Amino acid sequence: EPEVTQTPSHQVTQMGQEVILRCVPISNHLYFYWYRQILGQKVEFLVSFYNNEISEKSEIFDDQFSVERPDGSNFTLKIRSTKLEDSAMYFCASSGPRNTEAFFGQGTRLTVV
Amino acid sequence: RKEVEQDPGPFNVPEGATVAFNCTYSNSASQSFFWYRQDCRKEPKLLMSVYSSGNEDGRFTAQLNRASQYISLLIRDSKLSDSATYLCVVADTGRRALTFGSGTRLQVQP
Repeated sequence: EPEVTQTPSHQVTQMGQEVILRCVPISNHLYFYWYRQILGQKVEFLVSFYNNEISEKSEIFDDQFSVERPDGSNFTLKIRSTKLEDSAMYFCASSGPRNTEAFFGQGTRLTVV
Repeated sequence: RKEVEQDPGPFNVPEGATVAFNCTYSNSASQSFFWYRQDCRKEPKLLMSVYSSGNEDGRFTAQLNRASQYISLLIRDSKLSDSATYLCVVADTGRRALTFGSGTRLQVQP
């Protein structure tokens, strides 16, 4: 069964450092997303990406964040100058062209110290 | 006002019980509706989409009431493996961003 894969599963970084979270979406999907979930809170939308550009973004997705599809398979989220409050589980997701059903990767737990 | 509102629970039910979860959403322009389940510290997994006519998948039945902006999930014959948090999820017309509720926790007991 096709699945979204994310690496690393856990990333610890020092405040102020840059991190890149990586995702391989399901191969025939065209829409890609990043969500985050702070411990004990609900899942929050960050950004969606289609046709090599951002199609939607939330208020959370400020200039500190960027996304990229550097090749035909990977989809990355870069967080510049991480803050303590960026500590969360980051989920990548993808969906096909016909509907909004999104399938999630297993997540990257980011801990900023 | 919360965009997607759910009773956080927990719902503690014995195996074999029938349990129902409700969810309300605030945006009348919402177009797509889903139930996801999330196990502790895991990713959300799509359980089922919710259609206007209602839909059933095995022991799970989902209903949508657009007039009341209300979605429900019914689980029959609960299994221990159904223990999880159930997330009500909504997408607005023309958008693919999903808005999640905070989830309802279900604990099925032997």
